[in-house]
Amino acid sequence: AQKITQTQPGMFVQEKEAVTLDCTYDTSDPSYGLFWYKQPSSGEMIFLIYQGSYDQQNATEGRYSLNFQKARKSANLVISASQLGDSAMYFCAMRGAGTYKYIFGTGTRLKVLA
Amino acid sequence: NAGVMQNPRHLVRRRGQEARLRCSPMKGHSHVYWYRQLPEEGLKFMVYLQKENIIDESGMPKERFSAEFPKEGPSILRIQQVVRGDSAAYFCASSQSRNTGELFFGEGSRLTVL
Repeated sequence: AQKITQTQPGMFVQEKEAVTLDCTYDTSDPSYGLFWYKQPSSGEMIFLIYQGSYDQQNATEGRYSLNFQKARKSANLVISASQLGDSAMYFCAMRGAGTYKYIFGTGTRLKVLA
Repeated sequence: NAGVMQNPRHLVRRRGQEARLRCSPMKGHSHVYWYRQLPEEGLKFMVYLQKENIIDESGMPKERFSAEFPKEGPSILRIQQVVRGDSAAYFCASSQSRNTGELFFGEGSRLTVL
């Protein structure tokens, strides 16, 4: 069975500093994709970054990077130079290759402090 | 992401009433997925539809819930005889193909059952 675990219910970070949000996963699929979504207080789900299980390089998108450690089954999100607008819920998700179901973690609520 | 349109954004119903949630996928997308987010939880898969077909409804409660995606018009998630436990955010997502790398989410419909 597939599972996503986010062990940090809440995190604080000082503005302009970097923060790492943890995500571990469990799957028996040899091929899968890992995703991070941001959910601000307004409620919409905003796609941030994607990592394929066979990608050799860690994914990066602007200030977001994904620290993918396949052997440890972890896919941590790193946000550099935090901004006040980064305050939101962050969800890690996984989809097995050949499937369409996304499995979501329970989320981490990030608060950026001025 | 303004591509996937959901309405209403907020819906209040009394116990026993019916709730209808609509979703228009992004232009060119023929695959629609519904997810439910209970308070303080991640999203959970409910149902996957293509035009005029339900492909997978394994995540949807067997009673009171139904979904459709007609040839013309939006996809509709229907909840009959709502109960307080149905209070949640219901997200629709669409994709161009079944195994795409990214789901595009709507802004969600928040159902409150009094």
